[in-house]
Amino acid sequence: DIQMTQSPSTLSASVGDRVTITCRASQSILGWLAWYQQKPGKAPKVLIYKASTLESGVPPRFSGSGSGTEFTLTISSLQPDDFATYYCQQYNSFPFTFGPGTKVDIK
Amino acid sequence: QVQLQESGPGLVKPSETLSLICTVSGGSVRSSYWSWIRQPPGKTLEWIGYMSYIGSSSYNPSLKSRVTMSVDLSKNQFSLKLSSVTAADTAVYYCAGSSGSSWNFDSWGQGTLVTVSS
Repeated sequence: DIQMTQSPSTLSASVGDRVTITCRASQSILGWLAWYQQKPGKAPKVLIYKASTLESGVPPRFSGSGSGTEFTLTISSLQPDDFATYYCQQYNSFPFTFGPGTKVDIK
Repeated sequence: QVQLQESGPGLVKPSETLSLICTVSGGSVRSSYWSWIRQPPGKTLEWIGYMSYIGSSSYNPSLKSRVTMSVDLSKNQFSLKLSSVTAADTAVYYCAGSSGSSWNFDSWGQGTLVTVSS
C-alpha cells in the first residue's frame, strides 16, 4: 500500500493568513492526488484533484501543487469558513489511501 | 447534482454482518464508480473498496476477505456487507462516487455511524 503522510498535524492560524499543508507519498503517485476538507460531523468535500485542478465551486484561494511524492495545499488568505481538517488522498493505485489529516484551528 | 444517502442498522453485534445501502438520487447508479469509505471516531479515512454497475470492483486487501459489494440497478442503489465484525469496525461509514475521469470522490453521503457492540 502507498503510505501518505501530512505535515503539520495541527496548524494554528489567523484569518487572512497564508496557509500551506504538505502531503508526501511513500512512492510516486504521479499527479493522482486529491485534497478534501472535512468539518466536524460532516462528510469530506473535495477541493482539489489531479494535484492542482480546482473542483467546481471551490473558492480560488485554494490551490494545489506538486507531483511524484510531494504535494502542497495552499490557502492564500484564510477565511473563517476554512477552519477544518484537511486530508490528502492518493488514487494512483489500489488500495486508495488517505493521509492522517491536518487540523487548521484558530490562533 | 448526485445525492447519496446511506441507510442501515446503527448497532451490530460482534461476529455478525454489517449491511448498508446507499441510495443514489439526482443521477444514475450507472454513471459513476461507487466506493465505501469509513472513518473510526477521531481517526482518518479508510477506503473499503469500489464497484461499478458493470461488475468491476476492487477491495482493500485489509478487508477483502470480509467485504461484499453489489449494485441494484432497479432501485438505483448499491450496498456493502462486512462480515464477522468486531469493535474495530466501529466507524462512520460513507458511500461516495467518482464520476469523472479521475478517481477522486466528488460526491459523498452524509455518513452513518455503525457501532459494533453486544
